[in-house]
Formats: sequence, C-alpha cells, structure tokens
Amino acid sequence: NAGVTQTPKFRVLKTGQSMTLLCAQDMNHEYMYWYRQDPGMGLRLIHYSVGEGTTAKGEVPDGYNVSRLKKQNFLLGLESAAPSQTSVYFCASRTASSYEQYFGPGTRLTVT
Amino acid sequence: AQKVTQAQTEISVVEKEDVTLDCVYETRDTTYYLFWYKQPPSGELVFLIRRNSFDEQNEISGRYSWNFQKSTSSFNFTITASQVVDSAVYFCALSQFGNQFYFGTGTSLTVIP
Repeated sequence: NAGVTQTPKFRVLKTGQSMTLLCAQDMNHEYMYWYRQDPGMGLRLIHYSVGEGTTAKGEVPDGYNVSRLKKQNFLLGLESAAPSQTSVYFCASRTASSYEQYFGPGTRLTVT
Repeated sequence: AQKVTQAQTEISVVEKEDVTLDCVYETRDTTYYLFWYKQPPSGELVFLIRRNSFDEQNEISGRYSWNFQKSTSSFNFTITASQVVDSAVYFCALSQFGNQFYFGTGTSLTVIP
C-alpha cells in the first residue's frame, strides 16, 4: 500500500496562476481532508469530504475549491493564486469508524 | 467554538530528561476527541494517540504517557527518558464528530545529546 500520496511535492506559481493539487489514497477511506501548515499557525483545515461526491468547508476555505469525484482522490484547486497561499499543504484520510488520520507527505507551494 | 492552545512554542531538554508538553482545549461539546500527532524533521505527520471525552484514564505507551483532565480541559503529553529521536514538532488536536479537526500551533521539542 502506498497510503496517502500527494502530487506534486513542490510547486512555484506566479500570482494569478491556477493549479490543482492531487491527493490519492489506496486504503478505501471514506473521509479525506486538505490542510495548510504555516509557521506558528499549526495545521488549519481548508476543506474536507465525508464520501465520494461530497465536500464541505473547513476553517479556511476562501480561495480554494475541491472535488471528490472518485473515492480515492481528493483534488484541491487554486483558481487565482495569491502570495498568502504560500504554504505547505497536507492531505489526510481516515475510515468512517476510526478517527485516526493518515497524512500524505505534503506539497510545498510558493506563490511569488 | 473549538480551540486548542499549546502555549509552549519551543522546548529543549538534555537526553534522558523527562519532558511534558501542555495542551489546553476549549469546546462546548460534551462529546469530543483529543489527539496527539508527531511531526519529525522529515515532515510527515504521525498519529500518536486518540482519547474520547468519556475516558479520563491516563494512558502509557512505553516512554510516552498522556494525562487527560476534563476539569482543567487539558490533555498533556509526557515523554520519559527523552531520546534524540523524540526531537520533533508535536501537535495536539480536537474534534467533535471527526468532520473538522482543530490543531494547536505545535510545540517544537529538541532533545540535546
């Protein structure tokens, strides 16, 4: 099992550009999450999904969109990147019965 | 509102010392879950423990122990006989139903050999 994988690992964008981060899990988990980690801020939830075809806003959803068309994939989109979105992005997943989240390795995004 | 406070930003200890990481939480819910995660220098996040609000028993796992006190809204983490491999950032987190998770800002622990 690969667990939770994230693509890409690093990315540099110019202000105004768009991109999509891909999270994939092979554990048949129902729940998936996108977080951002900033220095001194801990992890903050952007969006989450409780199952295929469903998404919901987290603590800091502005400027991001998500989709969960397939159970194993959770996509995070930035339509018009801003320097404030420079961060490390983590994806996580879990089963419906266990609250333990399995995290991906992270994506480091820099917006210039 | 849910909130987790980790007041200790950075801690340094000498190897073999004991160290306690503090976690204070706020919630109006009577049912909730508390967690600790470890983030070593490599960057991945590793689950350490989950505790639900109805179980105030302390837990010990090897050199790790957790003290959950509802009266003070605290869920502290103690490492006994610290080792260099314990150097990491440790996060405390709170969730009510497992949909939204609220993380503290983390405590960076450095164990000096």
